[in-house]
Amino acid sequence: KQEVTQIPAALSVPEGENLVLNCSFTDSAIYNLQWFRQDPGKGLTSLLLIQSSQREQTSGRLNASLDKSSGRSTLYIAASQPGDSATYLCAVEGGANNLFFGTGTRLTVIP
Amino acid sequence: DADVTQTPRNRITKTGKRIMLECSQTKGHDRMYWYRQDPGLGLRLIYYSFDVKDINKGEISDGYSVSRQAQAKFSLSLESAIPNQTALYFCATSDRGDQPQHFGDGTRLSIL
Repeated sequence: KQEVTQIPAALSVPEGENLVLNCSFTDSAIYNLQWFRQDPGKGLTSLLLIQSSQREQTSGRLNASLDKSSGRSTLYIAASQPGDSATYLCAVEGGANNLFFGTGTRLTVIP
Repeated sequence: DADVTQTPRNRITKTGKRIMLECSQTKGHDRMYWYRQDPGLGLRLIYYSFDVKDINKGEISDGYSVSRQAQAKFSLSLESAIPNQTALYFCATSDRGDQPQHFGDGTRLSIL
């Protein structure tokens, strides 16, 4: 069974700092990897989706990388802002559009 | 209006009661999903449906059932609720397998 781990569980950084969130998965036979953001009392918002054949995706200040062979992905956030404070979830698709989620990294950006 | 709407947003009920959580979407997606989220466990898939006549079990389907009444509607039922079904439940939709899933705002369910 696919297991997804996110480290650290929580992270606090001062505003303006660049940061990296980590995700690892146990089964490299994936279709894609997705990063989501979850705000308190809200659902998940898709940030980036990396297909298994891709190495990275970028959207604005966000860059996600994928190393399928080693079972790792990183989400890089440049020039962090207080509005980036949220929980970030990594999920891998193992087929039939079934997503396996990590437990998330709770990010706090301090003004 | 939200693209994926879940009702109710919050529900408190007693052990043994039948409960239905509803999800409707305006995105025109064929694929719909139900997940539950528990602290420390992440989201886990309960059921999913790829069209009106298609129902599939997910990782944790025991104690749950679903109904896909139309392309836009997917309901989750707990026939006889138990306290360990207390969780945050999410509905999601997607267009196809290589597209991101879109989530509702969740239903917080507490079973006493």
